[in-house]
Amino acid sequence: AQSVSQHNHHVILSEAASLELGCNYSYGGTVNLFWYVQYPGQHLQLLLKYFSGDPLVKGIKGFEAEFIKSKFSFNLRKPSVQWSDTAEYFCAVRTDSWGKLQFGAGTQVVVTP
Amino acid sequence: ETGVTQTPRHLVMGMTNKKSLKCEQHLGHNAMYWYKQSAKKPLELMFVYNFKEQTENNSVPSRFSPECPNSSHLFLHLHTLQPEDSALYLCASSFYDQTSYEQYFGPGTRLTVT
Repeated sequence: AQSVSQHNHHVILSEAASLELGCNYSYGGTVNLFWYVQYPGQHLQLLLKYFSGDPLVKGIKGFEAEFIKSKFSFNLRKPSVQWSDTAEYFCAVRTDSWGKLQFGAGTQVVVTP
Repeated sequence: ETGVTQTPRHLVMGMTNKKSLKCEQHLGHNAMYWYKQSAKKPLELMFVYNFKEQTENNSVPSRFSPECPNSSHLFLHLHTLQPEDSALYLCASSFYDQTSYEQYFGPGTRLTVT
């Protein structure tokens, strides 16, 4: 069965620290990859997405992610986090032609001042 | 942001009640989705509609009944729920069969079954 794994359930770090969240998926065919973010009390928002081309994609708020096909990974990075990055981050994979998304369990990120 | 709206935002219901969740999208999309978000679990896709036709029922119990009268509105009718059905129910919408689509989510309905 297809699955999406996010390695960390909780991450706590200080402002200005670098952030990297892991995401691995199990599917051998063509995939589209997404990172969504859910800030406290807000709805899920798209951070970035990968469909094709340059495997290093840049999203909003200084986030980027790298697709490594050989490792079935799509890790999210930000070089210097801010307190406002405190949120839950979800990796998602689309494998169907019509768009069904499979989500990871999410990673809760807390940035301390 | 008013792209996808959901009402009510919070709902408390007894196990014998019947209630409905409503979702409306103002983005011109033609596919709509219901997800269940429980603590510490991945989002679970429940139902998918495209062009008003249900294309996915992800083994959801019959006490959840979706309705999609048009491409802008989606309902989730609830009856005789169980306490384990307490969760955040999210609606999303997208374009169907687009190569660069993404799903837009509503704020969710926090459901508590007592």
